[in-house]
Amino acid sequence: ETTVTQSPASLSMAIGEKVTIRCITSTDIDDDMNWYQQKPGEPPKLLISEGNTLRPGVPSRFSSSGYGTDFVFTIENMLSEDVADYYCLQSDNLPLTFGGGTKLEIK
Amino acid sequence: QVQLKQSGPGLVQPSQSLSITCTVSGFSLTSYGVHWVRQSPGKGLEWLGVIWSGGSTDYNAAFISRLSISKDNSKSQVFFKMNSLQANDTAIYYCARRAYDYDAMDYWGQGTSVTVSS
Repeated sequence: ETTVTQSPASLSMAIGEKVTIRCITSTDIDDDMNWYQQKPGEPPKLLISEGNTLRPGVPSRFSSSGYGTDFVFTIENMLSEDVADYYCLQSDNLPLTFGGGTKLEIK
Repeated sequence: QVQLKQSGPGLVQPSQSLSITCTVSGFSLTSYGVHWVRQSPGKGLEWLGVIWSGGSTDYNAAFISRLSISKDNSKSQVFFKMNSLQANDTAIYYCARRAYDYDAMDYWGQGTSVTVSS
């Protein structure tokens, strides 16, 4: 089973700042990492899929990079609407495993 | 548009079973698989299992002895059943569509909040 370690667990950023979240996997997963945004009372929403591919309709201020075991998710110029929980998910092998999540708040 | 609508109980007695139906629209179960995921404060997001478009299933080893996923393609319904629930199974349970060309989930149901309590 691939363990996914996500950091930080929480983040407080000012509007307009750059947000960076990291996920490290215990096995090499190529580029099979996905990133989700979850707002209170809602299911997770897929923002970025395998191969660092931005989903249709997702703003270009969201991006990701990484290959192998080290992955980074970035929000350029944070907006108030970006306040949410963020999760990474490895889809290289079963069982699919999630990172522990990052709670993003406004400073 | 793609939708997944879940129906099931909110309260389950300890040692009893949980059954949830996920009714999909906007796509065919013969072309897409469906994952099941749960979310609890203590363990975060946890993948439970998947039923593939062809009907075969894979389960998280931690649940394989008490989990069953099946479907009825003609009714566009996926059925989730977990046996022997305990308090630590209290969580929000989600069905979610497997993306067409990769294994992650691209669309999610609204979630079923389940409390295990007597």
